[in-house]
Amino acid sequence: DTGVSQDPRHKITKRGQNVTFRCDPISEHNRLYWYRQTLGQGPEFLTYFQNEAQLEKSRLLSDRFSAERPKGSFSTLEIQRTEQGDSAMYLCASSDLGTIYNEQFFGPGTRLTVL
Amino acid sequence: KQEVTQIPAALSVPEGENLVLNCSFTDSAIYNLQWFRQDPGKGLTSLLLIQSSQREQTSGRLNASLDKSSGRSTLYIAASQPGDSATYLCAVRRENAGNMLTFGGGTRLMVKP
Repeated sequence: DTGVSQDPRHKITKRGQNVTFRCDPISEHNRLYWYRQTLGQGPEFLTYFQNEAQLEKSRLLSDRFSAERPKGSFSTLEIQRTEQGDSAMYLCASSDLGTIYNEQFFGPGTRLTVL
Repeated sequence: KQEVTQIPAALSVPEGENLVLNCSFTDSAIYNLQWFRQDPGKGLTSLLLIQSSQREQTSGRLNASLDKSSGRSTLYIAASQPGDSATYLCAVRRENAGNMLTFGGGTRLMVKP
């Protein structure tokens, strides 16, 4: 068990470009979450999946954002037409619904900088 | 809407001191509360998780308490070390509100040698 992994760790892009991030959860964790963290703030919830179903989306997730988890394993988060306000750390977490506490375990994050 | 506040926002202490970090939340209908550690530019490491039915949890030099009725939690760090320097975040999971965590803004801790 290698923990939650995210790729890339850093992404620099120009305003208006599309970017895609990947998250690989802990093996056999059926829930996967995306959070966004801006500098000096705590993370804010974006969306979560149970297996391949996207069960909840935050109002922060504008139409330019889309997340998928096609086979109930890894997930991708795409941002279209990036804006400078999208610059943040994007964190992924996973949990096992079958455990008592359903504790969330976080990955190292993807740092996005939009120029 | 659940709101989580952490006080102080920043704290600097000499090595060896015992210290307390505070977390408050507005809606007491929580399922559990977690304390995390975050090093600069890194992800979150879970330190302690307290279920709503529990009063405290301990791990090594860390002790977290929960007073659900008053909407408060504290993280006690004993005999602080320079390696404890990091941002500490608390997060609550509400009852019957999906599985999202609501985070506080964090306390940035600096332990000076």
